[in-house]
Amino acid sequence: NAGVTQTPKFHILKTGQSMTLQCAQDMNHGYLSWYRQDPGMGLRRIHYSVAAGITDKGEVPDGYNVSRSNTEDFPLRLESAAPSQTSVYFCASKAAGGTDTQYFGPGTRLTVL
Amino acid sequence: KQEVTQIPAALSVPEGENLVLNCSFTDSAIYNLQWFRQDPGKGLTSLLLIQSSQREQTSGRLNASLDKSSGRSTLYIAASQPGDSATYLCAVKEGGGSNYKLTFGKGTLLTVNP
Repeated sequence: NAGVTQTPKFHILKTGQSMTLQCAQDMNHGYLSWYRQDPGMGLRRIHYSVAAGITDKGEVPDGYNVSRSNTEDFPLRLESAAPSQTSVYFCASKAAGGTDTQYFGPGTRLTVL
Repeated sequence: KQEVTQIPAALSVPEGENLVLNCSFTDSAIYNLQWFRQDPGKGLTSLLLIQSSQREQTSGRLNASLDKSSGRSTLYIAASQPGDSATYLCAVKEGGGSNYKLTFGKGTLLTVNP
């Protein structure tokens, strides 16, 4: 199993451009979440999904959109990037029920100029 | 609002030393607490998860304790090694089922010197 994979690893955007960060998991996990990690702050959840077709807002959702069309994939879209969205983004998965252990992807380092 | 604090922010020790990392949280109504390790430029790896009804969990040289009533958890690392160098984060879970929230601390950067 590859676990949780994220692409790209690094990306530079200009203000106002759009892009999609990809997240995929092959563990048949129901719960997927997007977090951002900024210096001097703890990880903060952006959006999450408990199953295909169901998404919800986390603590910092503004400026981001998500969709969940199947169990494996959970893309995060920035429609009009802003410098405040410069961050490291992590996707995390968790099995529905059972253990609460979270599995994180390797992250995407995004810079918005 | 739940707040999670980790002290110290950074710690440097010689190889072989036993050490303790601290995590405190303001609201004791938690579901569980999880300790993670993060290597530079990498994602988080779960180390130990303690349910709110448990007092401690052990894995190899790692032992995590939880005192829910006082809002504290410790991660004890025995006989530290240079490979233990990383940032250690704790996170508390509030709420069960699908409507849960994880609140993370800012982490402790551990350096183990050979």
